[in-house]
Amino acid sequence: DSGVTQTPKHLITATGQRVTLRCSPRSGDLSVYWYQQSLDQGLQFLIQYYNGEERAKGNILERFSAQQFPDLHSELNLSSLELGDSALYFCASSVTGENSPLHFGNGTRLTVT
Amino acid sequence: ILNVEQSPQSLHVQEGDSTNFTCSFPSSNFYALHWYRWETAKSPEALFVMTLNGDEKKKGRISATLNTKEGYSYLYIKGSQPEDSATYLCATHGGGGNKLTFGTGTQLKVEL
Repeated sequence: DSGVTQTPKHLITATGQRVTLRCSPRSGDLSVYWYQQSLDQGLQFLIQYYNGEERAKGNILERFSAQQFPDLHSELNLSSLELGDSALYFCASSVTGENSPLHFGNGTRLTVT
Repeated sequence: ILNVEQSPQSLHVQEGDSTNFTCSFPSSNFYALHWYRWETAKSPEALFVMTLNGDEKKKGRISATLNTKEGYSYLYIKGSQPEDSATYLCATHGGGGNKLTFGTGTQLKVEL
């Protein structure tokens, strides 16, 4: 058990809808990362937060947004969902940032129908 | 090298064989190199984080080296066992951004 909790585990929704994925980092970790893994693709970096502030941004779509709250949990909001957004979304946390290993949650499997 | 590249894409070895994989990354603005092991139906687990040129790390039968000047890292597995079967990912912070970019991985299958 990595100590990183992601909810929900599975999510099935229709095109055009909006969903929120939640991540609770490991106790003591200040940094949260979000990654997307689509079918046959590797881990695509979306965004990183450190202690509530955005630290780095990948090729995150404008329809997607995220934030890290004062208690350090993070949410990833996906809106106007399209079929192509179906993927496994991972959250990971680390103590600080670049020099610390990432601890991954079990992922949220999003299916857009 | 503009992205993180891993080779080979997949590898089949026999139990007891030693093997190694390569991770190539942009050598400019390098900050850190990570290795992860990802078993099917699980989440990636960290193996090593390396930052210094010439760094060598070891964990049991698995070891890694780092060359930041030429932009590559090797992961070695000595005496492969079936439980080593997994995808091995490398990732790097660097190349002009803070984002931690993953390669597509080397899928290792160890057969009896």
